[in-house]
Amino acid sequence: DGGITQSPKYLFRKEGQNVTLSCEQNLNHDAMYWYRQDPGQGLRLIYYSQIVNDFQKGDIAEGYSVSREKKESFPLTVTSAQKNPTAFYLCASKETGGFGIQYFGAGTRLSVL
Amino acid sequence: GQQLNQSPQSMFIQEGEDVSMNCTSSSIFNTWLWYKQDPGEGPVLLIALYKAGELTSNGRLTAQFGITRKDSFLNISASIPSDVGIYFCAGQEGANSKLTFGKGITLSVRP
Repeated sequence: DGGITQSPKYLFRKEGQNVTLSCEQNLNHDAMYWYRQDPGQGLRLIYYSQIVNDFQKGDIAEGYSVSREKKESFPLTVTSAQKNPTAFYLCASKETGGFGIQYFGAGTRLSVL
Repeated sequence: GQQLNQSPQSMFIQEGEDVSMNCTSSSIFNTWLWYKQDPGEGPVLLIALYKAGELTSNGRLTAQFGITRKDSFLNISASIPSDVGIYFCAGQEGANSKLTFGKGITLSVRP
C-alpha cells in the first residue's frame, strides 16, 4: 500500500522542549514538504526538500528544522524557539515527473502543555 | 507568500442542493488542483486540471480551469452529508514549482 505516513497523530510539547514529527513515504517521490495549518489560515509552507541531503526554507521556517538523509524520510523538529507551535502539521510528497501533483499525509496535531 | 482567493470562508447548504466554489489568482497557473480535507485528516486530491478551459468531472464533482488561467471553479451536485469538509484550491506554475493554496472553504451540509 503506497502512501505517506505521519506519526504520531497527536503530540504534546512542554515548555522549552524540542519535538520531532515523523514523515515517511513509500511512493518513491523525490520532493517532500512540511506545511503548518492554523484555523482559517490555509496551508503555510515550512520547509521543503527536492532531493536527498538538500532542503530549502519555506515561508515560515523560523523555529523549525528538518533533515533529509533518506529519500523516504523527512522529519520535522519543532524547536523551543517556536513560541507558538500549537497547530496541525501536514507532510506532503510530490510525484516525480508528470505534472508534479502533491499528496498529503494524515497530519500530526501538536499542542503545548 | 502569495495566496489564492477563496470566499466565502464558510458555506451552509441543504442536503441535495448543488454548490459552486471559485478560486481566483493575480498570477497565471498551469495546473489547478482541488483538495478536500475531512476534520483531523490530511487533504485528499479531488480533481487536477492541466489545460486552460478544461472541464473535468469526478462523480458528482465538476471542476473547470479558467480560460485566463487565473481562476478555477468547483461544482458539487446533489450534496450529501459526507461532502462536509474544507475545500482547498491550489495552483502551480510548473511541475517543479511550489503549490500556492487558497485558505479553503468550510462546507456544511444540513440533512
